[in-house]
Formats: sequence, structure tokens, C-alpha cells
Amino acid sequence: GEEVAQTPKHLVRGEGQKAKLYCAPIKGHSYVFWYQQVLKNEFKFLISFQNENVFDETGMPKERFSAKCLPNSPCSLEIQATKLEDSAVYFCASSQSPARPEAFFGQGTRLTVV
Amino acid sequence: KNEVEQSPQNLTAQEGEFITINCSYSVGISALHWLQQHPGGGIVSLFMLSSGKKKHGRLIATINIQEKHSSLHITASHPRDSAVYICASIPNTGNQFYFGTGTSLTVIP
Repeated sequence: GEEVAQTPKHLVRGEGQKAKLYCAPIKGHSYVFWYQQVLKNEFKFLISFQNENVFDETGMPKERFSAKCLPNSPCSLEIQATKLEDSAVYFCASSQSPARPEAFFGQGTRLTVV
Repeated sequence: KNEVEQSPQNLTAQEGEFITINCSYSVGISALHWLQQHPGGGIVSLFMLSSGKKKHGRLIATINIQEKHSSLHITASHPRDSAVYICASIPNTGNQFYFGTGTSLTVIP
């Protein structure tokens, strides 16, 4: 499709529960990025993929966060044992390649941990 | 360290005014994006620039690669332009975005 589709739009989890977020990149885009927006204008890079391979995971918290991009499936970001501080909007973006860095952003998933 | 700075942080304008938002970055880039985020959170990419100038409707974006500076201009501003505007750079050496701190724009009727 011609848009990055993120689901769900909103997700509420009790502290300690698992949260799973999905991102379908634009068809033909090889790169997928996940960002966490905690405060109003602060974006934290989490992880990027080149197709199904992790490209850069330097921002990924090691303990409770994991992500995958499998062929023919939406990419996913999973948070085990959520904490209050995980409450944020999680954005996904996709681009065609580093040489074609025009990126498209999804609408985000607002995760609220209560 | 790659830093992206925006100014001003907050901006209030009367409807019809010409608006400029500035973005400076510290390392060489392959591209710079201007993004718009409305309350409710969704992000729209307005422009991607690697050189020169682009125009779309009332929006104009310019970039000066030598000075590592970009500007977003809004002509004849309208209350529906009220949003947060964010610049995001992609360094030459990397493949992730570095986001500016955002400019919160309010246009008053």
C-alpha cells in the first residue's frame, strides 16, 4: 500500500502485561524504523531493519523490548512486562533505501501503561 | 555527535502572517525532512530536501547545505496550520533520523 499502517492506534496495558505493536511498511520499502516519542517532541530511535535483518539496534532497550520484520508479515515491536515509563507514542517509518531516504511515517500507536 | 536544533520553540501568529521556522544541524546529511504533527499525534512528512528549495501550496522549504541550515516558511498562515513542526535529518553516515526539538505553532484567527 501507499501508506505505513500501524496498529493498533491506541493500546492500554496494565503494568507487567505484554504489549505488541504492528507496522506494515509501504510495499517496496526495504527499511523500517521504530521510534519512541515519550515527551512531546522527543523522539528516541529504537531499531531499524533492512528487510528482515536488523540494521541498527543501538537504541533498543535490551531487556524487555524485541522487534521483528518477517517476510509477508507486518513488522512488530513487542514489550514484555510493560512499565509505566513505556507509556509513549511509538512511530514506525519506512524508506526505500539509504540512497532514497524519503521516508513515510505511520500514524503511531499510543501505548498507555496503567 | 549529531545535533539538530530548531527555533523558535513556540510561535504564535495571527492568521495571514508569514511564518518562518529554522533548523540547524551539525553533521553532513543525505536528506532533511520537515514533518508536521497535529494534536492526536499522527506525523505527516511535508518535505524531503537534499538541496535547494521546494514548494507545496503555501509551504516552502529551503536548505543550505554549506551552512547546515534549513527553513520552513508558511505564507498566509491559517488556523489549520496550527501544529508542531519538526525537522529530522539523515546523516551521510547513517540511516536513522535525528529529530529537532520541534516548533509548536499556533495561528490565531
